[in-house]
Amino acid sequence: QTVVTQEPSLTVSPGGTVTLTCASSTGSVTSDFHPNWFQQKPGQPPISLIYDGSNKHSWTPARFSGSLLGGKAALTLSSVQPDDEADYYCLVSSGNYWVFGGGTKVTVL
Amino acid sequence: QVRLVQSGAEVMQPGASVRVSCVTSGYTFTDYYIHWVRRAPGQGLEYMGIFLPHNTYAKYVPKFQGRVTMGADSSVSTAYMDLRGLTSDDTAVYFCVREKRGGYFDHWGQGSLVTVST
Repeated sequence: QTVVTQEPSLTVSPGGTVTLTCASSTGSVTSDFHPNWFQQKPGQPPISLIYDGSNKHSWTPARFSGSLLGGKAALTLSSVQPDDEADYYCLVSSGNYWVFGGGTKVTVL
Repeated sequence: QVRLVQSGAEVMQPGASVRVSCVTSGYTFTDYYIHWVRRAPGQGLEYMGIFLPHNTYAKYVPKFQGRVTMGADSSVSTAYMDLRGLTSDDTAVYFCVREKRGGYFDHWGQGSLVTVST
């Protein structure tokens, strides 16, 4: 069974930059894994941010960007704002099933 | 605009079954897949399975196989997820989310809280 690993928590200062990563136990994450990234705040449904590794939705703020980096999927938050404080999840296709990472809690401090 | 509107909160007894509905609008129902995801208290998002409205194919992750059924009434553009044999571990917020084939996830339902308690 595929395990997808994310950093449990990261802290970033307002205006700073932070990169979240998403690794698969089966090996390098490639575009074939169709990585998606989601943001979830308490009491709210997730919001889709990135699909296919690096593509943004029409509503995705420009300061969010996705990439494939060193065998992992990555989500970079630039010019971080207090409103970016949330849980972030990656979702990848394992071939048979989709699998979520454990999530990264981003604190803006 | 695209909307996925889910059914309301439910309180269920252990051992019971629950149905969560996802009423969709604003797009052609059969053009997109519907996935079901849950988030239990203090836990992360957990993927449950997929339903393909255009051919009624469903696939569930092994953890839920035998206990879950995903389906739809395409005449009213509504997907549903039935979960049987509920235990306290099934207490969670359940979400539907649509996907355009190829990994394009976009719109989510607002979530349905299912509480399993005596």
